Amino acid sequence: EAQVTQNPRYLITVTGKKLTVTCSQNMNHEYMSWYRQDPGLGLRQIYYSMNVEVTDKGDVPEGYKVSRKEKRNFPLILESPSPNQTSLYFCASSPGGGGRHTEAFFGQGTRLTVV
Amino acid sequence: QKEVEQDPGPLSVPEGAIVSLNCTYSNSAFQYFMWYRQYSRKGPELLMYTYSSGNKEDGRFTAQVDKSSKYISLFIRDSQPSDSATYLCAMRYQAGTALIFGKGTTLSVSS
Repeated sequence: EAQVTQNPRYLITVTGKKLTVTCSQNMNHEYMSWYRQDPGLGLRQIYYSMNVEVTDKGDVPEGYKVSRKEKRNFPLILESPSPNQTSLYFCASSPGGGGRHTEAFFGQGTRLTVV
Repeated sequence: QKEVEQDPGPLSVPEGAIVSLNCTYSNSAFQYFMWYRQYSRKGPELLMYTYSSGNKEDGRFTAQVDKSSKYISLFIRDSQPSDSATYLCAMRYQAGTALIFGKGTTLSVSS
């Protein structure tokens, strides 16, 4: 089954404790991206990757890092989480070279709480 | 002025009604227009994708883009209770640029 898998689904952590949210897709998609969704603000793009070893900032990259060492995986790293990073996070992927025009598949989401 | 405006609703309709969902945008450089459906506690699901202006139909769903008015619409015919969800419009300038979402409209279809 074609899917984007995020882990963990739920996470409560403390301020400053480094964490990684994993994202994996099984469709051989070249384009992957991360979003956060907040009430009243909607979905906002954090980072995206057009292909392996190619990443770029989205609209709200501050406080986040990403890496794309393999095509299937695109982890989101919070080096020193803060309470304002409490949010619902989604990973997405799309086929095609050079980036596609739309995010075709989204993961189930990771609800992160930073206390 | 926000780049993409979408009325949050909620919008409540009876089963069988025709639903019209809309977004306006400010930047004429947007070329790619999408509609997503998001059920509670789930990720967005791509419904419709349109390039530039025009209409696109898929089953009970029709997407319209009017670039001259900077206005996009999603019509749902014969609405069903299973259509109850939040509908998000999204758009981008070109491949490799950020996808800009509206805040979503919550739709409730009662049987």
